[in-house]
Amino acid sequence: QEQLVQSGGGVVQPGTSLRLSCAASGLAFSDYAIHWVRQAPGKGLEWVAVVSYDGDRTYYADSVKGRFAISRDTSRNTVFLQLSSLRGEDTAVYYCARDLGCSSTSCHGNAFDIWGQGTTVIVSS
Amino acid sequence: SSEVTQEPAVSVALGQTVTITCQGDSLRTFYAGWYQQKPGQAPVIVIFDGDYRPSGIPDRFSGSSSGNTASLTITGTQAEDEADYYCNSRDSSGNYWVFGGGTRLTVL
Repeated sequence: QEQLVQSGGGVVQPGTSLRLSCAASGLAFSDYAIHWVRQAPGKGLEWVAVVSYDGDRTYYADSVKGRFAISRDTSRNTVFLQLSSLRGEDTAVYYCARDLGCSSTSCHGNAFDIWGQGTTVIVSS
Repeated sequence: SSEVTQEPAVSVALGQTVTITCQGDSLRTFYAGWYQQKPGQAPVIVIFDGDYRPSGIPDRFSGSSSGNTASLTITGTQAEDEADYYCNSRDSSGNYWVFGGGTRLTVL
């Protein structure tokens, strides 16, 4: 079964750090970009970051730039999101998603086809 | 502009056809993706690259685009289609993605 399995998350204090993981199981992983998307309580989806298929390129939403870092370990079929200097407004469910439209051969599509189950991050003192 | 906008809420009678729209300048360059999200669940892709339907998605879901507007149409809407629907696209550089605010679909 094709799936992305997430881990990490929890309740942390403002200003601290946390690392989220997203591991691929039973699906092509290394050829595609992987995104992180978050959803604050009662709100819509917000794109957070993307890492290219080879890990060489990363891009971030303005709201997290300089505080979050996305990376991938191709040998472990895993993508990470390091969250630092956390703020209350970072409280959300975080999802990873594979982008079928952004691969090693082209990146013009838009197809977040497989999503992780989501992991909750609560930033509170 | 890198934003895409959607109607906050739409309602449809059971069995009827409904169209949800997504507007933004980036849609003149990049295709939209459409995602269905039910309470407490992760989003599910229903349309990608504008008008392609993934396997397993009922053929009552279709996508189209014209100019700066992408559309998701559900023909013969079923009760189980009641959900939040999100579109997404990219900004003009192609390196940053953006989601619309979401449309809550109510099936009457």
